[in-house]
Order: sequence, then C-alpha cells, then structure tokens
Amino acid sequence: QQQVKQSPQSLIVQKGGISIINCAYENTAFDYFPWYQQFPGKGPALLIAIRPDVSEKKEGRFTISFNKSAKQFSLHIMDSQPGDSATYFCAASRDYGGSQGNLIFGKGTKLSVKP
Amino acid sequence: KAGVTQTPRYLIKTRGQQVTLSCSPISGHRSVSWYQQTPGQGLQFLFEYFSETQRNKGNFPGRFSGRQFSNSRSEMNVSTLELGDSALYLCASSLEALGDYGYTFGSGTRLTVV
Repeated sequence: QQQVKQSPQSLIVQKGGISIINCAYENTAFDYFPWYQQFPGKGPALLIAIRPDVSEKKEGRFTISFNKSAKQFSLHIMDSQPGDSATYFCAASRDYGGSQGNLIFGKGTKLSVKP
Repeated sequence: KAGVTQTPRYLIKTRGQQVTLSCSPISGHRSVSWYQQTPGQGLQFLFEYFSETQRNKGNFPGRFSGRQFSNSRSEMNVSTLELGDSALYLCASSLEALGDYGYTFGSGTRLTVV
C-alpha cells in the first residue's frame, strides 16, 4: 500500500520529442504528488507537483496528468532538450501541509535526450 | 539564499565503525528530513525532525539515529556500520511541512563502508 511504481526505468528520446514517465500508487490516502529531477552528483530538485483535486498541471514544458480513479499520474516533458537528461522521480505523500508528510519515491527513470 | 549544506561530501568508513553526517538547512526552514539513496532500493525515508523533535520515522533499524539543534541544523548517526549502509545520504529541508514548496535537498554525503 505504501509503494509508488514508476515506469519506464530508462527512456531515450530525440531532441524535440515528448518524454512520458508514468507512476501508479495504491494508497488512496496520498494527497500530494511531486516530481523530482536529479542530475549526477546533485540532490533531487522539485520540478512540479499536483494535488488530487486537479487532473492536470502545466509549468512551462512540464505537465503532470493525474487520474485519481486509476490511481496513476504521469509527467510529460514537451520539446525535450539534451539539458533535460537526468533521472526523474515521482513521489507521493499523505497529510499535505501537515506533520506526517514524508515522501514515498518511485524507483526513478533515467532520461536521455539525444541531439 | 544559501541552499541545504551537507558535510562531508564523501566518507569512507570501515565495517563496525560509526559515522556522523551533518546538515545545515535553508535559513528559516524548521523541518529537516533524511533520506537514503541506493541503486537497489532507491530513495527511502529515514526520519524527520521539526523544532528539535523527531516527528516521523521510516523503517530503518535503531542503528540509524538523528537529532536537530535549536538552530535547525541536524545530524544523523549510524552506529556499527554494515556494508549495506553504503549509500548517498540526502538531507532535505522545508519551512514547516511539505506544502507546495516541497523539499529542498542538499547534494548529499556519499558514504562508502569497506
């Protein structure tokens, strides 16, 4: 119930293409779903996050799509660039804004964008 | 604005030893969390401290402990090191709770146990 399953493990996309990473969860108590981006030698950095009361959130080239009934959410990177090459983690948490909100992370997707 | 600072960046320890890692959160952030990152298990939550009190704890053995000081700086300690403790240990800070701003992670301490 605590797991977040992420796919694919790795992804190769051509420059200008769309990168899509999917995550699924079981615990219906989760109420916060962020995506993190991690470059080698760095800690993860928050990219974009969504709460279950909306089905989509867009920030620049990054979009989260959220399907509450299917318990799935995905990250879309439009016009993918070589600089987007990194490892992406989805995560989930319960008790948004409260005191019980540690993150449960997916296993990560290594994205390579070819020039 | 300075980010989350973790020291040291790299550590090599021998099995059976103990180690202390340090984390200085972003100024004004009161919540500090620790995560372990390994290739096999990914990112796993260790514990969270808020106002010098442990607020949440992950599923790790008692060899893993931490504390937070009055200035919000935090340390984590691992006693009786095992080979499997080799990992990147990440500290993350937030204002009070996850909220919309999420965590800000440091660059981590790479611990190697030999």
